[in-house]
Amino acid sequence: GENVEQHPSTLSVQEGDSAVIKCTYSDSASNYFPWYKQELGKGPQLIIDIRSNVGEKKDQRIAVTLNKTAKHFSLHITETQPEDSAVYFCAASITDKLIFGTGTRLQVFP
Amino acid sequence: GAGVSQTPSNKVTEKGKYVELRCDPISGHTALYWYRQSLGQGPEFLIYFQGTGAADDSGLPNDRFFAVRPEGSVSTLKIQRTERGDSAVYLCASSATSGTGELFFGEGSRLTVL
Repeated sequence: GENVEQHPSTLSVQEGDSAVIKCTYSDSASNYFPWYKQELGKGPQLIIDIRSNVGEKKDQRIAVTLNKTAKHFSLHITETQPEDSAVYFCAASITDKLIFGTGTRLQVFP
Repeated sequence: GAGVSQTPSNKVTEKGKYVELRCDPISGHTALYWYRQSLGQGPEFLIYFQGTGAADDSGLPNDRFFAVRPEGSVSTLKIQRTERGDSAVYLCASSATSGTGELFFGEGSRLTVL
């Protein structure tokens, strides 16, 4: 089955700096790659996603890139703000279920 | 409410007891998922419903775990003979489409088995 690895497990940045989180997946048939943000005591919430026919997608300060050949995808957050502090999960999907990575705890210091 | 609702938010039980966790999805969403999240880990897939039927239950760890969705809306996750290792947050999510659509998660039910 699909396996998703994510790193780093923790990331600390200064407000205004950029943050990058990277994931790799094992099954080349995976075709959907979302990123979820989870705040303390809450369920994960979708922030951006990308499909296998696209190499990059951007939404304001957030962008995701996908390299299908290497089977990896990345989340880029620019101009980080304290409210970006949370745990971020990547995921990959082949058919009807998402397989999640282990998460990255992002801390943005003012 | 407009979002996915899960009850109870917290459940403490003793080893060996039976537990039911309830999920009320967003109205009209046909796909419903159960995930389990241990401390410091990502959500782990348990089971997925499309309508009333379990389309994929490959993530259920053993036969002590069972889930139903009899009318295609509310779902109940049932755990028999609970063990300490079952302690986790159980997350429910619903989606208007299956597989490659946005999942809307509830806040989870935190289960503690003493």
